[in-house]
Amino acid sequence: GAVVSQHPSWVICKSGTSVKIECRSLDFQATTMFWYRQFPKQSLMLMATSNEGSKATYEQGVEKDKFLINHASLTLSTLTVTSAHPEDSSFYICSVLASSTDTQYFGPGTRLTVL
Amino acid sequence: AQSVTQLGSHVSVSEGALVLLRCNYSSSVPPYLFWYVQYPNQGLQLLLKYTSAATLVKGINGFEAEFKKSETSFHLTKPSAHMSDAAEYFCAVSHGTGNQFYFGTGTSLTVIP
Repeated sequence: GAVVSQHPSWVICKSGTSVKIECRSLDFQATTMFWYRQFPKQSLMLMATSNEGSKATYEQGVEKDKFLINHASLTLSTLTVTSAHPEDSSFYICSVLASSTDTQYFGPGTRLTVL
Repeated sequence: AQSVTQLGSHVSVSEGALVLLRCNYSSSVPPYLFWYVQYPNQGLQLLLKYTSAATLVKGINGFEAEFKKSETSFHLTKPSAHMSDAAEYFCAVSHGTGNQFYFGTGTSLTVIP
């Protein structure tokens, strides 16, 4: 399967600061990437679909001005949590879509803790 | 509309016993079905997938799942549980072509020594 990396794996920040999370597809070009959020002991919630070279498509209820997504290249998508607050603390997971197999491959996740 | 229901949020089995994790789906079109495993503080790893080929799908680590259209089910099984199988398991459905995945709420598997 595809190798997907995320950086950082864990970040702790103060309330009000912005945090950028990177998602990289290491072994193939991904025109579509997805960003999920997972609360403890819960399932994944799709936040947005990131398409290379175009604006991300956000799910209902997800603030696009707060969760900025940039998919500038075929191997990199970034999620920036702006003006983070403690309620934004969560596990953020990205995935890439292998269009040839219609399968999503997931990154290892980034744990965000906002103090 | 598509959705996935995983019956049983927690399943406990003895080491060496059969593992059965249930997944039922609803889909208005032929579905693609997936099982993923998540270990603590890690991302999701694909165990196996069904994409309209053979109805019995074999995956990694000895897991397999059978697509049963008449029952709208895609249950995950493993003949003999191992301690390393303890994890969270998610069933997901899509209808391919890059469309959104719909995840179940997950089943936490505990393996008792």
